[in-house]
Amino acid sequence: DSGVTQTPKHLITATGQRVTLRCSPRSGDLSVYWYQQSLDQGLQFLIQYYNGEERAKGNILERFSAQQFPDLHSELNLSSLELGDSALYFCASSVEGANTIYFGEGSWLTVV
Amino acid sequence: GESVGLHLPTLSVQEGDNSIINCAYSNSASDYFIWYKQESGKGPQFIIDIRSNMDKRQGQRVTVLLNKTVKHLSLQIAATQPGDSAVYFCAEKASGTYKYIFGTGTRLKVLA
Repeated sequence: DSGVTQTPKHLITATGQRVTLRCSPRSGDLSVYWYQQSLDQGLQFLIQYYNGEERAKGNILERFSAQQFPDLHSELNLSSLELGDSALYFCASSVEGANTIYFGEGSWLTVV
Repeated sequence: GESVGLHLPTLSVQEGDNSIINCAYSNSASDYFIWYKQESGKGPQFIIDIRSNMDKRQGQRVTVLLNKTVKHLSLQIAATQPGDSAVYFCAEKASGTYKYIFGTGTRLKVLA
C-alpha cells in the first residue's frame, strides 16, 4: 500500500457526462500528480499540483480540469466524456524536494 | 508508441534465472530515473531509483544500471520469481522540472 488513496475504483458513465475522481495523497506529501493510462498509450502525465497551486501541466485536455484543496486532497474533473476517455487514471504524490512519486491504485473509467 | 495492454514488448524468463529489462530514455538533461513495477489492475509500485551521478545502484534482488553515454537504463532482477511477473516501466525526470516521462513498459513473464 503506497498510502495514496483514490476513489472511485471503478466508474461507468455515458458519453457527454461529467465525472470527478478523487485523490488523497500520502500523509505529509504536498505534491499531487495525475496520470492517464489507456490501452493504446502508456502513462501520460496530465497535471501536477503543489500545496494547492498548479505547478506543471502535461497533455491534459481542455475538457479536463483539476484542483488541490487546502487539506491537500485533489480532484480531477472530466467533462463532455468521450469513448476515448476510457482509461485508468492514476494519482501520485511526493514530498517537497523528493524525486520519488508514489502511485495510488487508480480509478478505472469506462465511457459507454 | 507501444500499447500498455496489448502490444508491450514481452520478456519471458525461467523461474530462478536472472532478468534484464532495458529502457532507452530520451532526454540527455534527465538526472533522475525510477523503475516501477505494475501488476495487473494495480498502480505502479516503486522499485528502485538512480541519480545521474551514479552508474549503478543495488537493492534487494534488483540492480539498476545507467549508461548516460547512450541514454540507456536497465533493471536486473536476480533469481526471478513468479511474483515478479508484471509490467515494468522506467521513468525519467530532468533537473528543475516536475514532469516524469514514462517509458512504454516491458511485460515480464516468469515461466515455472
